[in-house]
Amino acid sequence: DIQMTQSPSSLSASVGDRVTITCRASQSISSYLNWYQQKPGKAPKLLIYAASSLQSGVPSRFSGSGSGTDFTLTISSLQPEDFATYYCQQSYSTPPVFGPGTKVDIK
Amino acid sequence: QVQLVQSGAEVKKPGASVKVSCKASGYTFTSYDINWVRQATGQGLEWMGWMNPNSGNTGYAQKFQGRVTMTRNTSISTAYMELSSLRSEDTAVYYCARYCTGGVRGFWWFDPWGQGTLVTVSS
Repeated sequence: DIQMTQSPSSLSASVGDRVTITCRASQSISSYLNWYQQKPGKAPKLLIYAASSLQSGVPSRFSGSGSGTDFTLTISSLQPEDFATYYCQQSYSTPPVFGPGTKVDIK
Repeated sequence: QVQLVQSGAEVKKPGASVKVSCKASGYTFTSYDINWVRQATGQGLEWMGWMNPNSGNTGYAQKFQGRVTMTRNTSISTAYMELSSLRSEDTAVYYCARYCTGGVRGFWWFDPWGQGTLVTVSS
């Protein structure tokens, strides 16, 4: 199975900050990488698919980049509603594997 | 709008089985696979398997082979996940999610997700 790691595991940031989360795959997965946001007590929500495609309805302050083994999720200006846990997920091969998550909380 | 609505919380004893339902609305149920993902409290997301609602074909994660069964009732646009021989480690929130595809390169993703069903296994 492909293994996924994320860094950092958690971060504290202020409203308006630029936030970057990194996801790394144990082997090349081309652009087969999705990002989800999960708020406490809620289901995950798709933000980015195919490494850099913004899901319809997701604010443009979210962006994704990368290919191969290294990927980045960037929030250009953090908003109060963005405090959540973010997961990457590889869709290159079965089984689909999620990263361990990055929790973004208020500084 | 596209929506998946799951059944309510369950409490089961070790060794029992649980069956969780996932009712789809807002799209053609038989056109998209349904996947199941679970999340233990405070933990990450773990994929369990998939089901094609049109054919009934399934594929399960190796970890759950022999213990999980995914089925559907197309007349009511509902998918089911049954997990047997429950143990305390199966205590988790179970999610269904629609498998979506796009592009010529076979990209895919989960969207939307059901609201989750908490299954508690306790004696």
